[in-house]
Amino acid sequence: TQLLEQSPQFLSIQEGENLTVYCNSSSVFSSLQWYRQEPGEGPVLLVTVVTGGEVKKLKRLTFQFGDARKDSSLHITAAQPGDTGLYLCAGEEYGNKLVFGAGTILRVKS
Amino acid sequence: NAGVTQTPKFRILKIGQSMTLQCTQDMNHNYMYWYRQDPGMGLKLIYYSVGAGITDKGEVPNGYNVSRSTTEDFPLRLELAAPSQTSVYFCASRRVAGELFFGEGSRLTVL
Repeated sequence: TQLLEQSPQFLSIQEGENLTVYCNSSSVFSSLQWYRQEPGEGPVLLVTVVTGGEVKKLKRLTFQFGDARKDSSLHITAAQPGDTGLYLCAGEEYGNKLVFGAGTILRVKS
Repeated sequence: NAGVTQTPKFRILKIGQSMTLQCTQDMNHNYMYWYRQDPGMGLKLIYYSVGAGITDKGEVPNGYNVSRSTTEDFPLRLELAAPSQTSVYFCASRRVAGELFFGEGSRLTVL
């Protein structure tokens, strides 16, 4: 089983600051997904990246998939209190197994 | 359009008891998954299924069993519950290589 490491585990920042969350593995994934989860709810998909080197933007969020498809990053520009939540990366192993990282708890203070 | 439905939402078990968490989806998805999530942490894959009659182990299968007799249903069985199984359990489904759709979760406490 491949291990997905996420960092940092916890991030507390002021409104307006920028931040980056990292997701790393020693193994290759066929695709990688990013989810956001709020307390008491299931995770909700933000983006899926498939191609090595791919960059996707979703408003203030920028997602990048590493060239070797082993790592990914999520960058948030000008964070807002509404961005607060648990951010999870999930890698798809060949064979349709989808495994998650430990998550990054983001708190944005106004 | 119900999506993924999990029951029960809450349950308290005594050590050694058994129970089944039910999961059903109405989206005709082939792939279904069971995860557990401990407080403030990510999700650990317990079992998954790529179609009726096919199941496979995930990262933490010990103490659990599953079956997939139909496309819609994917129940998770806990045998001889232990305090270490106290967690929130999520069922999810998806099409091939698509987004995971999650249920609302089942919060289980083993005392």
